[in-house]
Amino acid sequence: GQNIDQPTEMTATEGAIVQINCTYQTSGFNGLFWYQQHAGEAPTFLSYNVLDGLEEKGRFSSFLSRSKGYSYLLLKELQMKDSASYLCAVLDSNYQLIWGAGTKLIIKP
Amino acid sequence: TAGITQAPTSQILAAGRSMTLRCTQDMRHNAMYWYRQDLGLGLRLIHYSNTAGTTGKGEVPDGYSVSRANTDDFPLTLASAVPSQTSVYFCASSDSMRTSGGAEVFGPGTRLTVL
Repeated sequence: GQNIDQPTEMTATEGAIVQINCTYQTSGFNGLFWYQQHAGEAPTFLSYNVLDGLEEKGRFSSFLSRSKGYSYLLLKELQMKDSASYLCAVLDSNYQLIWGAGTKLIIKP
Repeated sequence: TAGITQAPTSQILAAGRSMTLRCTQDMRHNAMYWYRQDLGLGLRLIHYSNTAGTTGKGEVPDGYSVSRANTDDFPLTLASAVPSQTSVYFCASSDSMRTSGGAEVFGPGTRLTVL
C-alpha cells in the first residue's frame, strides 16, 4: 500500500532550527508538497519538490531525495507563529495526492 | 480578496438527513477537490473535478456526491448522513491539474457533526 510517514509531534525553541522529516512509499512519484496548517484553519501551501535537492524560501527550506523516498522541511529562526501542523503529500504515478497525517510543531519561548 | 468560500462554517445534522456543503472559488481555477480531515489521519480525497462538467471519485467517495455545473461552484452532497461522516470538510482548488504540480488552495472548512 501507499504510505507517508511523519513524526506525530515535535517541540522546538523560539529562535532555533527544526527539521521535520517525511518518508514515503508510493506507487511512483510525481512530486512532493509541504503544507502548513494552523489549528482550526485550512492548510496553506509551503513548497513543492519534484527534483532532488534543496529548495529555499526565506526561513523555510525543503529537501528531496527520490532514491531514498525522503524529504524534510527545515524551519530556521523559529517564531511562535510557526506553531502549526506541517503536512507532507506525495503525488503518485496516477497523480493521486497521498497525504501524511501531519507533524504538530510546538514552539516554546 | 480572491479565494475559496465554504458554507456553512459548522453544522450539526441528524443521521439520515441530507445536506449540501457549498464551495465557491473566484480564482477561475479549473480543478477543484473535496477532502475530509479526521484526527490522526491525513487528508482524504472524496471527489474531484478537473474542469467544469466533469467529476471523479477520490479515495472515500461512498455516501457523497458532487456536481460541477460551472467553474466557480463545487457543492458536496450527503444523501443520508451517518455518524461516521462527522469530520472537517475542506474544499480546495488549483489552477492546473496535478500533472503540472499545481498547488492546491484550500477553503476555510466546514465542521460537520452527524448525531
